[in-house]
Amino acid sequence: QQQVKQSPQSLIVQKGGIPIINCAYENTAFDYFPWYQQFPGKGPALLIAIRPDVSEKKEGRFTISFNKSAKQFSLHIMDSQPGDSATYFCAASENAGGTSYGKLTFGQGTILTVHP
Amino acid sequence: DAGITQSPRHKVTETGTPVTLRCHQTENHRYMYWYRQDPGHGLRLIHYSYGVKDTDKGEVSDGYSVSRSKTEDFLLTLESATSSQTSVYFCAISTVWGQDSPLHFGNGTRLTVT
Repeated sequence: QQQVKQSPQSLIVQKGGIPIINCAYENTAFDYFPWYQQFPGKGPALLIAIRPDVSEKKEGRFTISFNKSAKQFSLHIMDSQPGDSATYFCAASENAGGTSYGKLTFGQGTILTVHP
Repeated sequence: DAGITQSPRHKVTETGTPVTLRCHQTENHRYMYWYRQDPGHGLRLIHYSYGVKDTDKGEVSDGYSVSRSKTEDFLLTLESATSSQTSVYFCAISTVWGQDSPLHFGNGTRLTVT
């Protein structure tokens, strides 16, 4: 059972374009939503994260938009660059106390290719 | 890589054999995790540890066991490897206490079970 559904599976854009990756979740107890970026041969690394009390968060060229009522959130990459080519994972977790920390439910991943 | 070393980086093994993957950290962080990454599934939590000898099951723990006898080492064992356990395995640590603490992942072990 996939509790976090991510789309699209792959995405190709030209340099300067704005790729958008979408995620939808089912568990209303989720209250922390990070995005991870993964380059080939490496482990994922935290990119940006949001909590449901805000509708948008920006860090540099990366923006998360959050729609609590629809149980959806998305990642936008402004002015995308070839160096942004990577696999992106959305994730979610619920705060169930100390031993729940780090227990993330990940989406399926999106392979982003940015052409020069 | 937050001082995380996974070994081996690649392994090919036969069905039915036991396999142990090692995760070593140099910074004595308390929380450690094993995830597996598969196409179409993203990453899924296998087991995690919140201290020496304190471990618990994750989402996909069947067929796996773990041990943590020292803070710096977290071992993942496949008791009898099956083809469905062909995957890329990632170890991760949390460096700060709290839900917001990012996971820091190692570079993974690619395991192929033939």
